Amino acid sequence: DSGVTQTPKHLITATGQRVTLRCSPRSGDLSVYWYQQSLDQGLQFLIQYYNGEERAKGNILERFSAQQFPDLHSELNLSSLELGDSALYFCASSVDLAGAQETQYFGPGTRLLVL
Amino acid sequence: AQSVAQPEDQVNVAEGNPLTVKCTYSVSGNPYLFWYVQYPNRGLQFLLKYITGDNLVKGSYGFEAEFNKSQTSFHLKKPSALVSDSALYFCAVSDMNRDDKIIFGKGTRLHILP
Repeated sequence: DSGVTQTPKHLITATGQRVTLRCSPRSGDLSVYWYQQSLDQGLQFLIQYYNGEERAKGNILERFSAQQFPDLHSELNLSSLELGDSALYFCASSVDLAGAQETQYFGPGTRLLVL
Repeated sequence: AQSVAQPEDQVNVAEGNPLTVKCTYSVSGNPYLFWYVQYPNRGLQFLLKYITGDNLVKGSYGFEAEFNKSQTSFHLKKPSALVSDSALYFCAVSDMNRDDKIIFGKGTRLHILP
């Protein structure tokens, strides 16, 4: 158990809908990262937050947004969902005192199925 | 821009034999290199990382990796494979000089045959 929790574990929704994925980092970790894992795209970095502020942005669509709250939990919002958004969404956390050399600890993921 | 390549989609090894999972990278500065493992229906787990110092890095579950700067490689190795090592392995790189986001390879599926 990494100490990172994600809810829900599974999510089934329809095209055009909006969903929110939630992540609680390990105790003491200030950074939260979001990743999308699909069969054809592999593991794609979406976005990183550090202590409430956006730190780095990857291949995140404009239909997707995220935020990190004062208690350091994070939410990833996916809107106007398309079939191609079906994937496994991971959250990871790190202390992030040492930048790019930090080890990331991954949650179990949320499996999203868009029908 | 930084990149990482795992040239093999799948590697098959007999139990008890040594295993190697290959990784090559490209960064403009000096690299931080990582290996993560993903078991079925689980999140990724950290195995080991190279930051600086000794080129041979030892990690969890008996795995090790060797940093080779001239070949820009960071291959994952284990002297004797176990069936329980069967999983999806990801190599990742970040750029020390850019303090930038980490880039993951596409993953290599390792099958250990009993």
